[in-house]
Amino acid sequence: DAGITQSPRHKVTETGTPVTLRCHQTENHRYMYWYRQDPGHGLRLIHYSYGVKDTDKGEVSDGYSVSRSKTEDFLLTLESATSSQTSVYFCAISDAMGSNQPQHFGDGTRLSIL
Amino acid sequence: TQLLEQSPQFLSIQEGENLTVYCNSSSVFSSLQWYRQEPGEGPVLLVTVVTGGEVKKLKRLTFQFGDARKDSSLHITAAQPGDTGLYLCAGGGSQTGANNLFFGTGTRLTVIP
Repeated sequence: DAGITQSPRHKVTETGTPVTLRCHQTENHRYMYWYRQDPGHGLRLIHYSYGVKDTDKGEVSDGYSVSRSKTEDFLLTLESATSSQTSVYFCAISDAMGSNQPQHFGDGTRLSIL
Repeated sequence: TQLLEQSPQFLSIQEGENLTVYCNSSSVFSSLQWYRQEPGEGPVLLVTVVTGGEVKKLKRLTFQFGDARKDSSLHITAAQPGDTGLYLCAGGGSQTGANNLFFGTGTRLTVIP
């Protein structure tokens, strides 16, 4: 299994609070992604990174920011959490960019916003 | 915008039966990936198909990419309880010009012993 660790694995917080999720990889892969998974929507891309300090928006980026200060860490921040951001969040990595490149996923963070 | 629709959404079958799940889109993709996801875990890649009409076999699983590269299917022969899980298709390089993967809504398969 690819060395991807997401933390925390579970979190419950209140509306309006800031939340940061962490993705740590030991594979030295250049590309990292954050997705959210919701019933009826599958996985949707939030943000991705193509190198240290290089990030770009995905399909559902509103309300989220990311940072990548080191190759191994990709942080996802909800500046002011809302109930619509209750979801399961997955981090993924790949060693190349391209539509035919495999992505390796972490085990997810279940986030509940009350 | 949901680019990929999977059917059926849910499928419950007896061990030993055959099944097919479908992944359809109005967009053309340069490649199509299939993943399986088990509860509490992230998706795991099963296969990537890149050529229209391509067929790939992985033991009892057969994957096909449509000639027009707009659809794909996954056929499982003699299903086993270990095949239980959420099957996700993901298309890349769509006509939208994005270089990312777009995931389908998933098919949740349950194989009853």
